[in-house]
Amino acid sequence: ETGVTQSPTHLIKTRGQQVTLRCSSQSGHNTVSWYQQALGQGPQFIFQYYREEENGRGNFPPRFSGLQFPNYSSELNVNALELDDSALYLCASSLVGSSYNEQFFGPGTRLTVL
Amino acid sequence: AQSVTQLGSHVSVSEGALVLLRCNYSSSVPPYLFWYVQYPNQGLQLLLKYTTGATLVKGINGFEAEFKKSETSFHLTKPSAHMSDAAEYFCAVSAFGNEKLTFGTGTRLTIIP
Repeated sequence: ETGVTQSPTHLIKTRGQQVTLRCSSQSGHNTVSWYQQALGQGPQFIFQYYREEENGRGNFPPRFSGLQFPNYSSELNVNALELDDSALYLCASSLVGSSYNEQFFGPGTRLTVL
Repeated sequence: AQSVTQLGSHVSVSEGALVLLRCNYSSSVPPYLFWYVQYPNQGLQLLLKYTTGATLVKGINGFEAEFKKSETSFHLTKPSAHMSDAAEYFCAVSAFGNEKLTFGTGTRLTIIP
């Protein structure tokens, strides 16, 4: 069974640029959630995708957007990067419809905005 | 709405001593509660979870937590600390199993040899 994978591991961008982060779900999972973890903080929920549709969103502006593909992999896109977007971005997958929908986390992508 | 408060951003214990990490939650519906561990430069690993049923929950690596509704608490304990327990620990709550997780700010656990 393959776990949740994320790419790239690290990324450096400059303010105003755009970035795409990728996540491959654990085998058999159909739901993906994205979290932002700033340095020294707990993860903050960005949004969740189920069946390729956004299924819940946290307090993040529209320049944070996402996609889920038919194979349940996902992308997180951030436009017009700001310095405060520097963080560890975590992806978590789960299976809606199971008796308990535990979320399994990937190792994260560390984004630095200069 | 849900929220989590973790008391103590840093906790230090001696190797072999009791580990106690505190978590209090707020939830408008019966909560699902979780403890996650994060090692440096890694993602989150689930230690244990409370959904329904027995209020004392046992997890991996010898950790356990007790759900106390009257105190809105879900403290994490381990009888005897090991050097490998040094990490960041996060308490989290969700309204339902697949709903978003709301995390606390974390507690960094240091083990003193």
